[in-house]
This record gives sequence, C-alpha cells and structure tokens, in this order.
Amino acid sequence: DAKTTQPTSMDCAEGRAANLPCNHSTISGNEYVYWYRQIHSQGPQYIIHGLKNNETNEMASLIITEDRKSSTLILPHATLRDTAVYYCIVRSPNRDDKIIFGKGTRLHILP
Amino acid sequence: NAGVMQNPRHLVRRRGQEARLRCSPMKGHSHVYWYRQLPEEGLKFMVYLQKENIIDESGMPKERFSAEFPKEGPSILRIQQVVRGDSAAYFCASSTALSYEQFFGPGTRLTVL
Repeated sequence: DAKTTQPTSMDCAEGRAANLPCNHSTISGNEYVYWYRQIHSQGPQYIIHGLKNNETNEMASLIITEDRKSSTLILPHATLRDTAVYYCIVRSPNRDDKIIFGKGTRLHILP
Repeated sequence: NAGVMQNPRHLVRRRGQEARLRCSPMKGHSHVYWYRQLPEEGLKFMVYLQKENIIDESGMPKERFSAEFPKEGPSILRIQQVVRGDSAAYFCASSTALSYEQFFGPGTRLTVL
C-alpha cells in the first residue's frame, strides 16, 4: 500500500501557483519524497524528489515540513499543460525499490 | 538520447490469444520495471528485471504472465491466453545501476475483445 495521502482532485487557475499537498506521517528516516505526474494517456514523468531540505528545479519546488510528515509540491505558474494526475511517493534510496503508486491528485488547470 | 521505447503502442487481442509487449530501455540502462494500469486506477508494479535475471516479480499474476530481459534485445512481457480483465495500459520504466530515477515509456494499451 502507498504510504502517502493526497486529495483526490484540485483546481487551479491558469497562471497561478498550484500547491499540491501530501501527507506521509509514517515516512522512515532514510526515505525520500518523490513526485511524478501522469498526463492523460502518457507514461509517468518524474518531477522532483527530496529528503528533508526544500528542493527546486525547472519544473517545480518541493517543500518538506521539518518533521517530514508532509510536503507540498508547488508549480509556480500553472499552465493548461500541467493538467495531470500528480503522485506523491515515498521511497527508500535503493535502486531496486519498486515505485508504489497511490491514487494521486487529479489537478485541473482552469483557463 | 532516445527515451524508453515500447511497442506496440496499441495491441488488440481476442480472448485466448497471446500478447507480447516489448520494452527497449534507455541507452545505458540495465534495470527494467513493468507496471500495469487498469482503467481509472493507479499504476501497479508487476516485475523488476536486470539483464537475464528477474529480481522482483512480487506483482506478477501467478499464471499466464511472464517476463524476460535477455542479454541482447528488448525486455518482453508475455501474457498467455488473454482474458478481458487483462485489458489495461502496460508501462515499462528503466534506470541505471547508479540512479534512483525511473524513466517511463509511453505504454502499450492492450485491449482484449
């Protein structure tokens, strides 16, 4: 079973920041938080990951709370192309570790 | 550098036939993972392979399903005697021996009539 809890769906206006929350209260000390997204009918796409510090890349920012029990993925300027299902995943830093996907958050970007 | 390739993209089979799904990992990637996505559901892990070895097949159905990743050529997911419940999108991902990041292919959509 997935070790994360996410809202089923969210709406965000185009051009605004999309903030997607994720709870992972049972995360272990050596587990990372990963985010993937799946645009309709496509394969999942890696977005970002982090351990305990906030992370930023060209796609998004990841804010992890100090106790590491929750995190927020931020898409700073959402576009219609960001409409997708976003998966928050907790994984150990072991290359053999399969990804356990939950149901994710279906993000709708509104024009 | 081409991404993960999967073919065919769409496959239609009648009940009882065999389905063969192919996955070519990214160049330099030696680890292959297969996932299945039933309609309106999330992705479920099936099997993890390295060259000529099955590492983890805990998500594979016990019967009719098999997977291989030969020394040469693509990884193959084989479904024998398909049933309507096998209709799904099958995604392959690959990674290197050094990276934790899995890169996904576009998927094969299997429809069983």
